[in-house]
Amino acid sequence: DAGITQSPRYKITETGRQVTLMCHQTWSHSYMFWYRQDLGHGLRLIYYSAAADITDKGEVPDGYVVSRSKTENFPLTLESATRSQTSVYFCASSAGTGGGTGELFFGEGSRLTVL
Amino acid sequence: AQSVTQLGSHVSVSEGALVLLRCNYSSSVPPYLFWYVQYPNQGLQLLLKYTSAATLVKGINGFEAEFKKSETSFHLTKPSAHMSDAAEYFCAVSGYFGNEKLTFGTGTRLTIIP
Repeated sequence: DAGITQSPRYKITETGRQVTLMCHQTWSHSYMFWYRQDLGHGLRLIYYSAAADITDKGEVPDGYVVSRSKTENFPLTLESATRSQTSVYFCASSAGTGGGTGELFFGEGSRLTVL
Repeated sequence: AQSVTQLGSHVSVSEGALVLLRCNYSSSVPPYLFWYVQYPNQGLQLLLKYTSAATLVKGINGFEAEFKKSETSFHLTKPSAHMSDAAEYFCAVSGYFGNEKLTFGTGTRLTIIP
């Protein structure tokens, strides 16, 4: 099906473990984003990518790693999970061309709990 | 740096009453402004956006917002609330050469009272 999908939708892990959240979009959008949503903070940008093999840090990148070898995939890895990374993670994509007016299309989110 | 401030983390209105959700922005360049809605256990979806054309922007589901430069505001309104409007609403800002990044506000949860 067309759209943007995230997996897993729910994940429980332990402190220190590596976790990878997957994001796949079928529109061939250039831009992809990872946000985390926390009560009282709204959505905060972790990393974004303007095209395959181009990534850049957002507001809260520490503890996270991203890659984008293919346009359609943008995985987010927590190399050593901490309790402060318990959150809901949203992947989004945009067909924008860099001018700042593009609509973001969001996945349904991945709820991560770190024990 | 760009930012938005949403006044009121929770707003309750009666069904049929006016909905007013407040958003003020700060930007060193002409801003592009957005309102997104999030229904429970879902991702966000675009309600409307301002991109320097008309200052009064109409969106989906009867919502509209007016860009007021003098007040640095972009408040969201709907004349008559419906039960289905219950959701969380986020104001967001981007700017030219912003690489399509959005900076979001902290959100306003809208409750509709029957």
